[in-house]
Amino acid sequence: TQLLEQSPQFLSIQEGENLTVYCNSSSVFSSLQWYRQEPGEGPVLLVTVVTGGEVKKLKRLTFQFGDARKDSSLHITAAQPGDTGLYLCAGAKGSEKLVFGKGTKLTVNP
Amino acid sequence: GAVVSQHPSWVICKSGTSVKIECRSLDFQATTMFWYRQFPKQSLMLMATSNEGSKATYEQGVEKDKFLINHASLTLSTLTVTSAHPEDSSFYICSAGSTSGVDEQYFGPGTRLTVT
Repeated sequence: TQLLEQSPQFLSIQEGENLTVYCNSSSVFSSLQWYRQEPGEGPVLLVTVVTGGEVKKLKRLTFQFGDARKDSSLHITAAQPGDTGLYLCAGAKGSEKLVFGKGTKLTVNP
Repeated sequence: GAVVSQHPSWVICKSGTSVKIECRSLDFQATTMFWYRQFPKQSLMLMATSNEGSKATYEQGVEKDKFLINHASLTLSTLTVTSAHPEDSSFYICSAGSTSGVDEQYFGPGTRLTVT
């Protein structure tokens, strides 16, 4: 059973378009992280959200943590080819291990 | 800050041999390090958690005698794949945490292992 469900699994869009990636669970997490991973490299942390309802912005990326701390979304405005990569969400339950979703593979075409 | 390195970045070995992968935290002390495995087009699967100076905690289904983990210092953890087989071929990624919690994890660049 996948604890964190990410959707969509694949997304191919044109440069300039907006997109939203979702990370859902039936479990409550103490925090949730979003990473971006490029082929052959390790994941790079984008953001950590901790408080229910929290919204964080990182340039053109907007991250939101659900009120119940069970889900999160990543919205990218005016996507660019450099945004191409695998976006992973990961949830933490206190001091337990970090659980990863299966990821969303984003391709932004020029 | 918070840089984690891995060595080697890729390795090819013959079936039956052992391979050691190093994970180093370069600019901070890591009380906890994590080892993950990632198969093509799949997410990261946690293999084990190690705390400096103590035995690693392995996830269910991970053979501790096959995947030996040593975390002898606050900046270095090693993963040794013993008697490697082709099915062990994968992308191995370590992460390091500066506290005992799981939130603050910084990932290494990964090691591509190919067993022929």
